Amino acid sequence: DQQVKQNSPSLSVQEGRISILNCDYTNSMFDYFLWYKKYPAEGPTFLISISSIKDKNEDGRFTVFLNKSAKHLSLHIVPSQPGDSAVYFCAATRSGYALNFGKGTSLLVTP
Amino acid sequence: DAGITQSPRYKITETGRQVTLMCHQTWSHSYMFWYRQDLGHGLRLIYYSAAADITDKGEVPDGYVVSRSKTENFPLTLESATRSQTSVYFCATGQGGGLYGYTFGSGTRLTVV
Repeated sequence: DQQVKQNSPSLSVQEGRISILNCDYTNSMFDYFLWYKKYPAEGPTFLISISSIKDKNEDGRFTVFLNKSAKHLSLHIVPSQPGDSAVYFCAATRSGYALNFGKGTSLLVTP
Repeated sequence: DAGITQSPRYKITETGRQVTLMCHQTWSHSYMFWYRQDLGHGLRLIYYSAAADITDKGEVPDGYVVSRSKTENFPLTLESATRSQTSVYFCATGQGGGLYGYTFGSGTRLTVV
């Protein structure tokens, strides 16, 4: 059973607008949630994370929101830029364990 | 060079052959992982290691063997390659995940013909 789900395979957004990527999880034991960004022919790179004791974490244009009661997190990118076009993977974990990944959402930011 | 390196970057092999993918990290991190990326499946964990000589199965371990005799190396061996093992393989490493996750290598694209 997939414990981390990204139900939108793709998303297209205009440059300058907000991109919202969503992720759901099923395992209430997860205590860290992360977003990775992946360009073609490269490995995933860490973008931003949040601990389960928080509901928001911000880093520049990127903000991650966590709703524990709904087992849902989202990544907001404001404003979106063409260089943000990539595949975004949501991941969840317990400290000391492997990352459990969603299937990814391909974001396209158009000029 | 410092960091995490995977070799080879690209590999074509025949069905039934044994092939080994290499992963090397220079940080002396405790944890190392092997994932495979396939269309429609995202990243799936094959094997992981919490320290030298400690390994454990992930979600899709069948057909793969790992070893970790040294902290810095974590090779992944396909004992008898099958077409279903055609994939992109990523190695990752870190000190325990949490807020900083793990650092991934650039990947090995393996094609089994």
